[in-house]
Amino acid sequence: EAGVTQSPTHLIKTRGQQATLRCSPISGHTSVYWYQQALGLGLQFLLWYDEGEERNRGNFPPRFSGRQFPNYSSELNVNALELEDSALYLCASTPWGYGYTFGSGTRLTVV
Amino acid sequence: GENVEQHPSTLSVQEGDSAVIKCTYSDSASNYFPWYKQELGKGPQLIIDIRSNVGEKKDQRIAVTLNKTAKHFSLHITETQPEDSAVYFCAARSNNAGNMLTFGGGTRLMVKP
Repeated sequence: EAGVTQSPTHLIKTRGQQATLRCSPISGHTSVYWYQQALGLGLQFLLWYDEGEERNRGNFPPRFSGRQFPNYSSELNVNALELEDSALYLCASTPWGYGYTFGSGTRLTVV
Repeated sequence: GENVEQHPSTLSVQEGDSAVIKCTYSDSASNYFPWYKQELGKGPQLIIDIRSNVGEKKDQRIAVTLNKTAKHFSLHITETQPEDSAVYFCAARSNNAGNMLTFGGGTRLMVKP
């Protein structure tokens, strides 16, 4: 069984640009969660998608947004990038709200 | 919302010794408590989890205990090995918090050979 896949692995953007990160959940998993992990810090909840709908979002500005497609894959968009957006962005999927499986993440660097 | 505190932030043990990491949570509605291991450059990997209707769960050298009254849960690793060296995160899920996991700040475990 393939795990959660994220692309790209690394992304370098200039301040003010937009970044798009992608996540493919485990087959059969309908819920996708996005987390931000800044260097040396813990995981901060960003967004939760289930059945194509945004169900909850964390304490992040509106320039962090995303969507979930009919095949349950998801993308995270970050507009007007700031230096402090540099972090590892992790995606997790779960079928029933237990056993959250994480991908390897996308390392976003804003210069 | 839910708040999860994790201690210690760093832990150094000799190979073969036991390691214990403790977490406390604030929301009494939390009902699911997973533990993750994160190695350098990788995403967190689920190593064990426990639900609120269970007090203890064991999987080989790893065990988790839950005290719902005191709102704390702990990870126990016995007979530690160098490959156990990583950052460990506890998490809690509350139905009041929209089903997402709230994570502790992490513990860097170093196992000295």
